[in-house]
Amino acid sequence: DGGITQSPKYLFRKEGQNVTLSCEQNLNHDAMYWYRQDPGQGLRLIYYSQIVNDFQKGDIAEGYSVSREKKESFPLTVTSAQKNPTAFYLCASSEGQGRETQYFGPGTRLLVL
Amino acid sequence: AQSVTQPDIHITVSEGASLELRCNYSYGATPYLFWYVQSPGQGLQLLLKYFSGDTLVQGIKGFEAEFKRSQSSFNLRKPSVHWSDAAEYFCAVGASYGNKLVFGAGTILRVKS
Repeated sequence: DGGITQSPKYLFRKEGQNVTLSCEQNLNHDAMYWYRQDPGQGLRLIYYSQIVNDFQKGDIAEGYSVSREKKESFPLTVTSAQKNPTAFYLCASSEGQGRETQYFGPGTRLLVL
Repeated sequence: AQSVTQPDIHITVSEGASLELRCNYSYGATPYLFWYVQSPGQGLQLLLKYFSGDTLVQGIKGFEAEFKRSQSSFNLRKPSVHWSDAAEYFCAVGASYGNKLVFGAGTILRVKS
């Protein structure tokens, strides 16, 4: 079955630690996205990538980093510079760069110890 | 820049009653619009989308939405709600460049028996 997988489902971060969230898709989609979800705030775009080896900052990129070395993978690193990382993180993908539907993975919940 | 307003944070309806969730958007050009649904701790599932053409769009699970340009609205409706419809619903608007979506804050639907 085609889809988007995110791992782990839950992730715990210690103070000063960098952690990496995994996102993989087998839909052969060109574009991938990372969103952060906080209660009552909807989803906010962190980073997005329209093609391999290229990505752009979204609305709340500070304290995060990404890479896009393979078409199917778009990992997100939450760095120690992100002072309030506790949130639900959602990865999405779409076929291309135009008016395309975005499909979402199941999410990763990040908690701070 | 585009924006989305979902005026109702919570809505409670009785099982079998009709439902309307409101969504107002702000965007200078012709938007493309989505409704997604999210169960607790899960990713987002696409309910329906509007890109162009017929302003009344049908989606999955018996939902429909109507695009009204004059009112900048894209309200979601269902004639008879089932207990399994209890979830959080998000409206989103997209621009043609970069396929970036802007989400509303969401409406939590509770269904009482």
